Amino acid sequence: GQSLEQPSEVTAVEGAIVQINCTYQTSGFYGLSWYQQHDGGAPTFLSYNALDGLEETGRFSSFLSRSDSYGYLLLQELQMKDSASYFCAVVWNQGGKLIFGQGTELSVKP
Amino acid sequence: EPEVTQTPSHQVTQMGQEVILRCVPISNHLYFYWYRQILGQKVEFLVSFYNNEISEKSEIFDDQFSVERPDGSNFTLKIRSTKLEDSAMYFCASSENSRNTEAFFGQGTRLTVV
Repeated sequence: GQSLEQPSEVTAVEGAIVQINCTYQTSGFYGLSWYQQHDGGAPTFLSYNALDGLEETGRFSSFLSRSDSYGYLLLQELQMKDSASYFCAVVWNQGGKLIFGQGTELSVKP
Repeated sequence: EPEVTQTPSHQVTQMGQEVILRCVPISNHLYFYWYRQILGQKVEFLVSFYNNEISEKSEIFDDQFSVERPDGSNFTLKIRSTKLEDSAMYFCASSENSRNTEAFFGQGTRLTVV
């Protein structure tokens, strides 16, 4: 089967750093993506890791360890607008199907 | 910036009726997808489409569902006979490569079946 596990919710304060972990069990793995969703709107792409290591894009970084079937999203210098749901998603096969985790609700407090 | 557009934004339909959800993917993208999200739950894959045919579909995508790219720009999802449990947000997405290194999602159509 295919499954992804991530925490259901995380709370942090403005300016802090938060890490959202994701573990997965799936076959046909091509890469791990992260998406942000505000209030049920369009999921917005944040990052993609195909190889082990860290990818950095501004305040956001994402890490992948294929041997551990594990990745995380790191958000730095948190802002109120970062309050949203964050989904990890496995890119499952060559057709590019995304298998999403349940999502992590991030609340950023002043 | 190019974007995926979906219409309508909200559709209310009676159980048993047919609905067509419309999407215009980004013009140079070749891979198209439909996902759905029941309120408060995760995003679920329905179907992927490439080169004018379905490349993969999920268990949710049964005989009541169909997709079409009628004119080279639109990408539609049809539900033939809607059920109450079809109520969800339906997202269209497109990608320029098969590895789907970055999928672009539309704003979604909220389907309510009454």
